[in-house]
Amino acid sequence: QSALTQPRSVSGSLGQSVTISCTGTSSDVGGYSYVSWYQHHPGKAPKLVIYNVSERPSGVPDRFSGSKSGNTASLTISGLQADDEADYYCYSYAGTYTFVVFGGGTRLTVL
Amino acid sequence: EVQLLESGGGLVQPGGSLRLSCAASGLTFSINAMSWVRQAPGKGLEWVSTIGGSGARTYYADSVKGRFTISRDNSKNTLFLQLNSLRVEDTAIYYCAKGGGYGFDPWGQGTLVTVSS
Repeated sequence: QSALTQPRSVSGSLGQSVTISCTGTSSDVGGYSYVSWYQHHPGKAPKLVIYNVSERPSGVPDRFSGSKSGNTASLTISGLQADDEADYYCYSYAGTYTFVVFGGGTRLTVL
Repeated sequence: EVQLLESGGGLVQPGGSLRLSCAASGLTFSINAMSWVRQAPGKGLEWVSTIGGSGARTYYADSVKGRFTISRDNSKNTLFLQLNSLRVEDTAIYYCAKGGGYGFDPWGQGTLVTVSS
């Protein structure tokens, strides 16, 4: 299974917005609405921040938003806070053969 | 609140075996798909395996197919991962997570598997 493509790193200043892209194919991101995003602080359990492309789990602030266009999904974090500094992974369902696939991860640095 | 607690990790030689467990609480375990996801040192998250609620359906990443076996005991709210023919590249933190194809939530804290001679 090939990983979805994410930028290795992004950065933004406190209070600003950043967008992380996740590019797949028509067999995964482009073919299904089961794209999710995970925040991972090293040493802790990964946390779901977006599911079904743009849905937010309860407890996740509305500063986190998701979208999709064609084979590319995006996670936007607005009003950056220091605690947002973490690794972010996208994920997509990819059909009954491949099943699921993760992106390679993006390190977000808050300046 | 759903809680997942992994155990069973440790140091094992190449070619060896290990059995991981994940004790679940705070959910109706038998109706939920469950999965294992791992993270090798310095690497990203990698999906390993998923099992349906009844245990009838299982899915595996190509990298572990034929070597790892996922199973569950719904009477004990416990998920398992049997790791056989272990390789150095299987060294990773193994996370248990609720869910399957549609996403994972929540995740456990993970258990470390180290494959080394």
